[in-house]
Amino acid sequence: EPEVTQTPSHQVTQMGQEVILRCVPISNHLYFYWYRQILGQKVEFLVSFYNNEISEKSEIFDDQFSVERPDGSNFTLKIRSTKLEDSAMYFCASSRDGDNYGYTFGSGTRLTVV
Amino acid sequence: EDQVTQSPEALRLQEGESSSLNCSYTVSGLRGLFWYRQDPGKGPEFLFTLYSAGEEKEKERLKATLTKKESFLHITAPKPEDSATYLCAAYYYGQNFVFGPGTRLSVLP
Repeated sequence: EPEVTQTPSHQVTQMGQEVILRCVPISNHLYFYWYRQILGQKVEFLVSFYNNEISEKSEIFDDQFSVERPDGSNFTLKIRSTKLEDSAMYFCASSRDGDNYGYTFGSGTRLTVV
Repeated sequence: EDQVTQSPEALRLQEGESSSLNCSYTVSGLRGLFWYRQDPGKGPEFLFTLYSAGEEKEKERLKATLTKKESFLHITAPKPEDSATYLCAAYYYGQNFVFGPGTRLSVLP
């Protein structure tokens, strides 16, 4: 069964450093998403991406965050200057047609900012 | 005000003991109501989508139903492998998914 692959599974970084979280969505999917889940809290929407541009973003997704699809297979989330409160699980998801049926999540990257 | 709430927060069942999980949501702007299963350290796994009141979906021991302001996930004769956190998520126009806090289900053998 097709999967969304995320790397690394766990990243530890120092406060103020830049991090890039990587995702390989399902190959025939066109819509890509990032969500995060702070430990013990709800899953929160960050951003959706379609046709090489951001289609929606939440209040969480401020100027410190950016997304990119650098080639035909990868989808990345960059945090420019990490803060302690950025520590969370970050989930990438993809869907074929954007109506959220068949929305597939990856297993996540646990980001720890120290 | 929370748009999506779930109850109970945690539920312990004996194997074979059926029960229901509740999801309450803000009706205005709703496009669809989704149920996901999340295992520890994993991403949410899609279970069901419901779009209109009265709709029901079934998969193995799980059945999801939707009313005008609530959704229920019924678990019939659960097994220990059904232990997980069950997330309800509402998809609103212009907001993408709004997740509830989840119900942690433990099924004891």
